[in-house]
Amino acid sequence: AQRVTQPEKLLSVFKGAPVELKCNYSYSGSPELFWYVQYSRQRLQLLLRHISRESIKGFTADLNKGETSFHLKKPFAQEEDSAMYYCALSVRRRDDKIIFGKGTRLHILP
Amino acid sequence: KAGVTQTPRYLIKTRGQQVTLSCSPISGHRSVSWYQQTPGQGLQFLFEYFSETQRNKGNFPGRFSGRQFSNSRSEMNVSTLELGDSALYLCASSPGLTGTGELFFGEGSRLTVL
Repeated sequence: AQRVTQPEKLLSVFKGAPVELKCNYSYSGSPELFWYVQYSRQRLQLLLRHISRESIKGFTADLNKGETSFHLKKPFAQEEDSAMYYCALSVRRRDDKIIFGKGTRLHILP
Repeated sequence: KAGVTQTPRYLIKTRGQQVTLSCSPISGHRSVSWYQQTPGQGLQFLFEYFSETQRNKGNFPGRFSGRQFSNSRSEMNVSTLELGDSALYLCASSPGLTGTGELFFGEGSRLTVL
């Protein structure tokens, strides 16, 4: 079964500390993974995708096929990083849809 | 380019009523997908439309339905509303198929069922 698991509902981190938002997936095909972010009172928006290997707003995410993980990391948290983060898996075989995890709320403490 | 527009933004209904939500995608986008967002379940996929055809449907009862028009605008309908249908309903458009992952979301329609 296709599934995205974000084990933490809430993650509180001090400003300047490293951040790691965990995401694990279950998919028998070749995975395409994404992180979406929703800041307070803003639309849900794409943060980054694994195939581009970009660093957006200081965040990076590496696909680990062995551990079926796609954790989102940032070395030094900033207060403006406080938001809801969703990990998403693209399912392209037969179906064509995006499966989202339940989300992790990141709270940056001053 | 104007973003994805959803109407109405807020609405209150009572149990047993029905509701229709509208979504206008970004100009040129042919794919529209709908999601239900709740604090407990996160984002749950409802359905996807591409060129007026429903390509996928999530695990929701038949009370949830949708359609897409020739101009790519989409509507979703929920009949016989239940208290548990209270949620933020998000629409997203995509330049290609939804599975490409490049989704552009609207601000949502917040439905409260009393």
